[in-house]
Amino acid sequence: GQQLNQSPQSMFIQEGEDVSMNCTSSSIFNTWLWYKQDPGEGPVLLIALYKAGELTSNGRLTAQFGITRKDSFLNISASIPSDVGIYFCAGRGTGGFKTIFGAGTRLFVKA
Amino acid sequence: EAGVAQSPRYKIIEKRQSVAFWCNPISGHATLYWYQQILGQGPKLLIQFQNNGVVDDSQLPKDRFSAERLKGVDSTLKIQPAKLEDSAVYLCASSPGGSGSYEQYFGPGTRLTVT
Repeated sequence: GQQLNQSPQSMFIQEGEDVSMNCTSSSIFNTWLWYKQDPGEGPVLLIALYKAGELTSNGRLTAQFGITRKDSFLNISASIPSDVGIYFCAGRGTGGFKTIFGAGTRLFVKA
Repeated sequence: EAGVAQSPRYKIIEKRQSVAFWCNPISGHATLYWYQQILGQGPKLLIQFQNNGVVDDSQLPKDRFSAERLKGVDSTLKIQPAKLEDSAVYLCASSPGGSGSYEQYFGPGTRLTVT
């Protein structure tokens, strides 16, 4: 079945640094979504992407829908301590209703 | 706008016991999802409802898991009997349906521990 490979698994960065994480699939996706999950909470939607090549920003966050439709990346600029959490990519492929989630990237920010 | 509500937040049961979780989606959202999130993994879809009909339950272990969404609003997820490997966070999410229907809004989850 469809799977998403999310990398890196974890990142340890200094406050103020920029962060980049990505998600790849062996099959084509029609939609890419990026979520953040804090401990003890459900994932919160950050950015939704619907077209190949689309580049969308939400504050310090920027995400892109890859041209091949098989990948997406998320950038966080000027990280702050509250960026700590788990970032999940999720995608919906062709011909189905199911949204597939990656395993997450755990971000740690040192003040 | 109120978010997705779930209860209970935590539940501890012994294996072979039964348990039920409840979800109230965002008002007006036609689509409701139940996910299982095992520690260290991303959410895995168990079942998806469109109004009160099942759209996808291909990953629901139907020998022990059941879910219903009567009247197309609230939903319950039941496990009977529970196994140790069912220990996980059970997340409920909803989406509006139609355009933008891929954007899911999650509740806080129910953390289940099976001993």
